[in-house]
Amino acid sequence: KAGVTQTPRYLIKTRGQQVTLSCSPISGHRSVSWYQQTPGQGLQFLFEYFSETQRNKGNFPGRFSGRQFSNSRSEMNVSTLELGDSALYLCASSLAGASGRIEQYFGPGTRLTVT
Amino acid sequence: SQQGEEDPQALSIQEGENATMNCSYKTSINNLQWYRQNSGRGLVHLILIRSNEREKHSGRLRVTLDTSKKSSSLLITASRAADTASYFCASFAVNNAGNMLTFGGGTRLMVKP
Repeated sequence: KAGVTQTPRYLIKTRGQQVTLSCSPISGHRSVSWYQQTPGQGLQFLFEYFSETQRNKGNFPGRFSGRQFSNSRSEMNVSTLELGDSALYLCASSLAGASGRIEQYFGPGTRLTVT
Repeated sequence: SQQGEEDPQALSIQEGENATMNCSYKTSINNLQWYRQNSGRGLVHLILIRSNEREKHSGRLRVTLDTSKKSSSLLITASRAADTASYFCASFAVNNAGNMLTFGGGTRLMVKP
């Protein structure tokens, strides 16, 4: 099976712009979670989608949003980018059900740099 | 803020030695998982231990869980240079509204050949 794929792998944006990141989960996985990783804050949970519905959301401002499509692919969007949004954004997929109860499979991440 | 803390933050050992990393968490958990990350890439799942388990093995990995102390440890035996990576514990808490893993700060392990 192909692993979790994320596009693009690298992105450079300017403050105030918006960005959309994409994640394709492993075939058959219906849960997709997003995480932000920075040197200062570490790995932080953004949100989780299951069957096109957001099931849980971390403590991030409303500028961060996401969605999931019927084929389980997910996108996350960050509007009005700030310098502090520079991070590695990781997507993870898992089988149906409570995704935290079983292992998650991570993609390679998208490295976003905001200048 | 992260639920878990890991100790040490960095560890440097020689090939062949054992590496032990510790993780603490704050709330009751359903399970605790360990992940490895190479150089800013994606995370790779290593092992999952449920709250009713005390010890689990997988190859050269041994994980223990002490729910009374809210702590876990990961032991890598007979380390190899290829084990050089960052290691993260992640907890799944029963009182979460939904499904998410809360990660610790990670331990950077360097194994010298």
